[in-house]
Amino acid sequence: DGGITQSPKYLFRKEGQNVTLSCEQNLNHDAMYWYRQDPGQGLRLIYYSQIVNDFQKGDIAEGYSVSREKKESFPLTVTSAQKNPTAFYLCASSIDHEGAYSNQPQHFGDGTRLSIL
Amino acid sequence: ILNVEQSPQSLHVQEGDSTNFTCSFPSSNFYALHWYRWETAKSPEALFVMTLNGDEKKKGRISATLNTKEGYSYLYIKGSQPEDSATYLCAFRDAGGTSYGKLTFGQGTILTVHP
Repeated sequence: DGGITQSPKYLFRKEGQNVTLSCEQNLNHDAMYWYRQDPGQGLRLIYYSQIVNDFQKGDIAEGYSVSREKKESFPLTVTSAQKNPTAFYLCASSIDHEGAYSNQPQHFGDGTRLSIL
Repeated sequence: ILNVEQSPQSLHVQEGDSTNFTCSFPSSNFYALHWYRWETAKSPEALFVMTLNGDEKKKGRISATLNTKEGYSYLYIKGSQPEDSATYLCAFRDAGGTSYGKLTFGQGTILTVHP
């Protein structure tokens, strides 16, 4: 079945450690997104990518990095510079970000919950 | 930072009740309004993408309306069932500027339908 796979489901980070969250999609979507959810808040955009080898900062990019070397994959690294990384992270994709299909919905993965040890 | 508000924050209804909740968003630079349903332990699922003022969309017992001039959308559920229990998210997409078409989400309305 087509969809978005996020791994791992749960992740623990030690102080000073970088961790990488995986996001893979087989929907052949051009655009991919990373969101963060904190209790009582809406999803906030960390980074997004419209095409391979291109990505843009969202509202809360500080302390995070991404890469988009393949269309299917958009990994998110939570660096040691992110002082409050404990949150639920959602990856999403859409068929197109700004082109002819720009009003298509986003499709989401099941999320990764990151906690600090 | 765009302000997207959803109300109420949570709602408890009995099976068979009809219910509705609200999403408020900026009334300028409108491009689209998305609604998603997010059930516990699952991924958010798209319900509607609405683009035109006065638009009404329906999916089974769920429907939504859109007023872009005053900046609100209503989501209605007719004859709520326990399986409708979920968090309902709305997301606003503005028409450009530096936003590059990204979605700004509300904090969600948590619906619990009691049997």
